[in-house]
Amino acid sequence: GAVVSQHPSRVICKSGTSVKIECRSLDFQATTMFWYRQFPKQSLMLMATSNEGSKATYEQGVEKDKFLINHASLTLSTLTVTSAHPEDSSFYICSARGERGYNEQFFGPGTRLTVL
Amino acid sequence: DAKTTQPPSMDCAEGRAANLPCNHSTISGNEYVYWYRQIHSQGPQYIIHGLKNNETNEMASLIITEDRKSSTLILPHATLRDTAVYYCIVRVNNAGNMLTFGGGTRLMVKP
Repeated sequence: GAVVSQHPSRVICKSGTSVKIECRSLDFQATTMFWYRQFPKQSLMLMATSNEGSKATYEQGVEKDKFLINHASLTLSTLTVTSAHPEDSSFYICSARGERGYNEQFFGPGTRLTVL
Repeated sequence: DAKTTQPPSMDCAEGRAANLPCNHSTISGNEYVYWYRQIHSQGPQYIIHGLKNNETNEMASLIITEDRKSSTLILPHATLRDTAVYYCIVRVNNAGNMLTFGGGTRLMVKP
């Protein structure tokens, strides 16, 4: 299957700072990327969907001004957690879908964010 | 997308087949059944998907009942590395559709 990478894999930051997480599709062009969040012992919750070159669509209850998503190219999407607080501590996972078809959605390894 | 129901947890002996059930009684005719798994602190990994017919690949087999209201994922010879949360998801394959995860089944493979 296709490879999706995330960077960093783990980040610890102070409350009030902003953190940027990168998601890259390494061997295919991702027309659509998804960002999920997962709290301990819970399932993945979709935060937003982004298509290359257009604004992201956020799920209900997700603050778009707090979680800034940029999908500037077909291989890169970024999620910026602005003014992070301890309750934003979570496992953030990106996923990408390519042009080959809608059957396949590939996931990154995730980024563990801890806000102190 | 149709909702799925899975047992929250299951145990399996190493080397034996693991049979993971999933109910999707409200599935519609154009919805596929997908299985993903998530090993602890990793991103989900695609396993298999199908529409009507049974499917098999190098990882697993997917058995879908004739009425499509339930399915079973079979790992023929479970290993310790198969310990993970397994998610059954039904969805329509179109541009606007993403994967929506339910609670999944936590499979523990024991020596």
